[in-house]
Amino acid sequence: AQSVSQHNHHVILSEAASLELGCNYSYGGTVNLFWYVQYPGQHLQLLLKYFSGDPLVKGIKGFEAEFIKSKFSFNLRKPSVQWSDTAEYFCAVSHSGGYQKVTFGTGTKLQVIP
Amino acid sequence: DSGVTQTPKHLITATGQRVTLRCSPRSGDLSVYWYQQSLDQGLQFLIQYYNGEERAKGNILERFSAQQFPDLHSELNLSSLELGDSALYFCASSPPAGGPNTDTQYFGPGTRLTVL
Repeated sequence: AQSVSQHNHHVILSEAASLELGCNYSYGGTVNLFWYVQYPGQHLQLLLKYFSGDPLVKGIKGFEAEFIKSKFSFNLRKPSVQWSDTAEYFCAVSHSGGYQKVTFGTGTKLQVIP
Repeated sequence: DSGVTQTPKHLITATGQRVTLRCSPRSGDLSVYWYQQSLDQGLQFLIQYYNGEERAKGNILERFSAQQFPDLHSELNLSSLELGDSALYFCASSPPAGGPNTDTQYFGPGTRLTVL
């Protein structure tokens, strides 16, 4: 069974600091990888996704993520965070050709201090 | 707006009662997923349907059940409600496999359930 680990549960940063949120998955086959964001009081929405090709994926709002197959990782990065990035971030994985079963990590709450 | 609709937006009920939450997926999406989100347990996957059939089960209690109808809308039934069932219930849908957005989930706005 596939699983997703997000080791940072709560991250606090000052504005303009750089961000890296860890995501590791366990599945031996070909995977699709996602990052979702949930702003306070809102539903989850897609930030970026990786299916194949360039392992460095760029998403909305200046976020990017790098798929490192050898490390089973898909870490989310942003060079300079803003107060408006305060949200909860979820990593998710599905395996290609599967029954569209998607497994979510437990989420990382990011708080950006002005 | 993701294109996924959920009703009602808020629901307040008493312990022991039964409620039904409704979800309409995006046009063309065949998969529907249900999630429960609470402060203490985070986001929990409950159940997935694909074109009317149950595909995957997560941490869904026996008091809870769901179904997906021929028009692809889905309902989540919660019975014998307990205080601990108070949570946000999200529905998500995803496009059929094989396309550029395979497995991408589009979430609805959620139903906030309060059990008193």
